[in-house]
Amino acid sequence: EAQVTQNPRYLITVTGKKLTVTCSQNMNHEYMSWYRQDPGLGLRQIYYSMNVEVTDKGDVPEGYKVSRKEKRNFPLILESPSPNQTSLYFCASSPWDRASGNTIYFGEGSWLTVV
Amino acid sequence: RKEVEQDPGPFNVPEGATVAFNCTYSNSASQSFFWYRQDCRKEPKLLMSVYSSGNEDGRFTAQLNRASQYISLLIRDSKLSDSATYLCVVNGGSYIPTFGRGTSLIVHP
Repeated sequence: EAQVTQNPRYLITVTGKKLTVTCSQNMNHEYMSWYRQDPGLGLRQIYYSMNVEVTDKGDVPEGYKVSRKEKRNFPLILESPSPNQTSLYFCASSPWDRASGNTIYFGEGSWLTVV
Repeated sequence: RKEVEQDPGPFNVPEGATVAFNCTYSNSASQSFFWYRQDCRKEPKLLMSVYSSGNEDGRFTAQLNRASQYISLLIRDSKLSDSATYLCVVNGGSYIPTFGRGTSLIVHP
């Protein structure tokens, strides 16, 4: 089954304790991205990657890191989480193919609470 | 000016009503357009692509107006299950997708 899988789905952590949210897709997509969603603010892009070893900042990259060592994986790293990073996070991927219309596939989301 | 703008709503309509949402975009070089549906705190899912000639999928009709730089979504015969947030997505010339903040629809009995 074609899917984007992110883990953990739910996490409560403490300020300053490094954490990683993993994301994996099995569709061989070039494009992957991380978003956070907060009430009233919609989806905001954190980082994106057009291909292996190619990453770029989105709209709200501060406090986050990413890496793209393999095509299928795109982990989101919070080196020193703070309470303002409490949010719902979505990983997404897309084939980046004009013929397919660049449909975006989302993971189920990760609820992160930083106390 | 935000790149993609939507009326946040909520649009509160009775079952069976017809409702329409618009989404305006600022980048005239935008290449492709989509409507996504998001249920409460779940992941967005593709509802339909929007083609230049307009397209229809059952009760849903999407239109693109390049001259005025907006896309629209029309829902006929609304069902309770249509209650959700509808996100407009626009791919610019660089194919980086830009999301609108979404329009909330509430269909009541």
